[in-house]
Amino acid sequence: DAGVIQSPRHEVTEMGQEVTLRCKPISGHDYLFWYRQTMMRGLELLIYFNNNVPIDDSGMPEDRFSAKMPNASFSTLKIQPSEPRDSAVYFCASRIRQGFHYGYTFGSGTRLTVV
Amino acid sequence: DQQVKQNSPSLSVQEGRISILNCDYTNSMFDYFLWYKKYPAEGPTFLISISSIKDKNEDGRFTVFLNKSAKHLSLHIVPSQPGDSAVYFCAASGRGANFGNEKLTFGTGTRLTIIP
Repeated sequence: DAGVIQSPRHEVTEMGQEVTLRCKPISGHDYLFWYRQTMMRGLELLIYFNNNVPIDDSGMPEDRFSAKMPNASFSTLKIQPSEPRDSAVYFCASRIRQGFHYGYTFGSGTRLTVV
Repeated sequence: DQQVKQNSPSLSVQEGRISILNCDYTNSMFDYFLWYKKYPAEGPTFLISISSIKDKNEDGRFTVFLNKSAKHLSLHIVPSQPGDSAVYFCAASGRGANFGNEKLTFGTGTRLTIIP
């Protein structure tokens, strides 16, 4: 099992440009989560999906952020237009319910730098 | 509004001694708590968890303690080893259909450095 796969690993873009982050969850996992890590706020949940359907997007900071999950094996997080304050590490995680463990598996993250 | 708080951004401990990482939460609906460990350039990985029906859970060198009345949990690592140097995140989840018990709320993390 290759785990949760995120691409790209690093992204440097100019302010105002569109950025698309990609995630391939573990096969068979029915939940997918997008988190953002910053020094000030730690790991904050942006949005999560269950069976490809968005369940809670209350953590999405602004309308500039959007996420999709067109099928069970792929999700994208898009920022348009990007701003310097969006610079952070973005993590995707997937899970299948395993009792109380919840079975979260995180990807290695995408480090986004907006200049 | 930070519902899960880790007030110590960093902690340094001598190898072989005990490391104690602390976490406080504000939402009484949380009933399941987890610790994740994160190395640089990697995603967080699950370490240990505890349900609110317990006050202690052990797994090898790692023990998590839960004090529900104080809304406080701690992670003890004994003995600490150089490979334990990482960022540790506390996370919480709650029950109830309206609460969203599928998601985890994380703290800001504590960077633990084990000094050889």
